[in-house]
Amino acid sequence: AQSVTQPDIHITVSEGASLELRCNYSYGATPYLFWYVQSPGQGLQLLLKYFSGDTLVQGIKGFEAEFKRSQSSFNLRKPSVHWSDAAEYFCAVYNTNAGKSTFGDGTTLTVKP
Amino acid sequence: DGGITQSPKYLFRKEGQNVTLSCEQNLNHDAMYWYRQDPGQGLRLIYYSQIVNDFQKGDIAEGYSVSREKKESFPLTVTSAQKNPTAFYLCASSIGTGGSQPQHFGDGTRLSIL
Repeated sequence: AQSVTQPDIHITVSEGASLELRCNYSYGATPYLFWYVQSPGQGLQLLLKYFSGDTLVQGIKGFEAEFKRSQSSFNLRKPSVHWSDAAEYFCAVYNTNAGKSTFGDGTTLTVKP
Repeated sequence: DGGITQSPKYLFRKEGQNVTLSCEQNLNHDAMYWYRQDPGQGLRLIYYSQIVNDFQKGDIAEGYSVSREKKESFPLTVTSAQKNPTAFYLCASSIGTGGSQPQHFGDGTRLSIL
């Protein structure tokens, strides 16, 4: 069965510092991978996605993620964090056979001034 | 603007009562999904529908029911059989069920027990 693990429940970084959020997945075939962001009391917004091609994908708000098949990872990065990036971040993998996605438990990002 | 509308934003349920959460989309998407979100547990899939008049159980369907009579609507009923319904409920849609299609989310309904 597919699964997604986000090892860090909560991360705190200073504004202007770099950020990396970890995501590991378990899936038998080539994965379709997504990162979403959720502000409190709101729905999820797509940051970026990977399904083929270049393993480094660019997303909105200055985020990028790198797909590493050998490590079963799809880590999210941002070179310089802004206070408005404080939110919860979810990694997801899509199961093409079942027609549905599995989400990680999320990582809450706090940004210190 | 196209999007997904969930209503109400807040809902309260009495013991033994069924309540229905509304989800409407004007994105012309074929697939729709219902998720439950609890603190620290991420999103868990309740039901999903890949096409009108068809839907499948997700990972935690017990105590819930859905219908998909129209392409743009996918209401979720939380029945009295769901003993712990307090949660944040999110509805989502996607163009199809192809893996490259991301999901678009509504702003959620927070359900609480009176």
